[in-house]
Amino acid sequence: EAGVTQFPSHSVIEKGQTVTLRCDPISGHDNLYWYRRVMGKEIKFLLHFVKESKQDESGMPNNRFLAERTGGTYSTLKVQPAELEDSGVYFCASSRRLAFAGELFFGEGSRLTVL
Amino acid sequence: QKEVEQNSGPLSVPEGAIASLNCTYSDRGSQSFFWYRQYSGKSPELIMFIYSNGDKEDGRFTAQLNKASQYVSLLIRDSQPSDSATYLCAVNSSGGSYIPTFGRGTSLIVHP
Repeated sequence: EAGVTQFPSHSVIEKGQTVTLRCDPISGHDNLYWYRRVMGKEIKFLLHFVKESKQDESGMPNNRFLAERTGGTYSTLKVQPAELEDSGVYFCASSRRLAFAGELFFGEGSRLTVL
Repeated sequence: QKEVEQNSGPLSVPEGAIASLNCTYSDRGSQSFFWYRQYSGKSPELIMFIYSNGDKEDGRFTAQLNKASQYVSLLIRDSQPSDSATYLCAVNSSGGSYIPTFGRGTSLIVHP
């Protein structure tokens, strides 16, 4: 069974540019989560999908971030325009059950560097 | 603001010793507690979860939960160099969404 895959593994862009991160969850996992880790800080929740619906997007920092999950399969997270403070590692995780009842399966993360 | 606190370390222990990792949390309504291990450059992976007060053992790992004191700990017996990693404590938040809140993680170094 393939794990959670994320693309790209590392992206370097300039301030003001756009970046799109992609996450392919484990097949059959309805729940998909995005988290972000800024250097030296904890992994912070961004949002949660159940299938194609946004269940909770309370962690999204501002309207420069747009997440989608078309058809309830893969998800994308777009940052437009990127700012310096957006640098960090973006993790995607999926689970068959809700997070509190089961484990999250994480991808290896997409490292974003904004110059 | 619901918080999960961990000492960032590094915690250095000799091979064969017991490593003790601690975590405190602020949300008294939390119900589920998880320990993830993350090797450098890799994805976090779940190694233990605990829901009830007391101890839960799995091989060399023991999770301990004390809800009254709002702390959860992870003990690793007979530590091995392969246990060297960052250990993340995660606590589910109370309320409708039950989204896990993570601590910063504790870096563990097991030296031969």
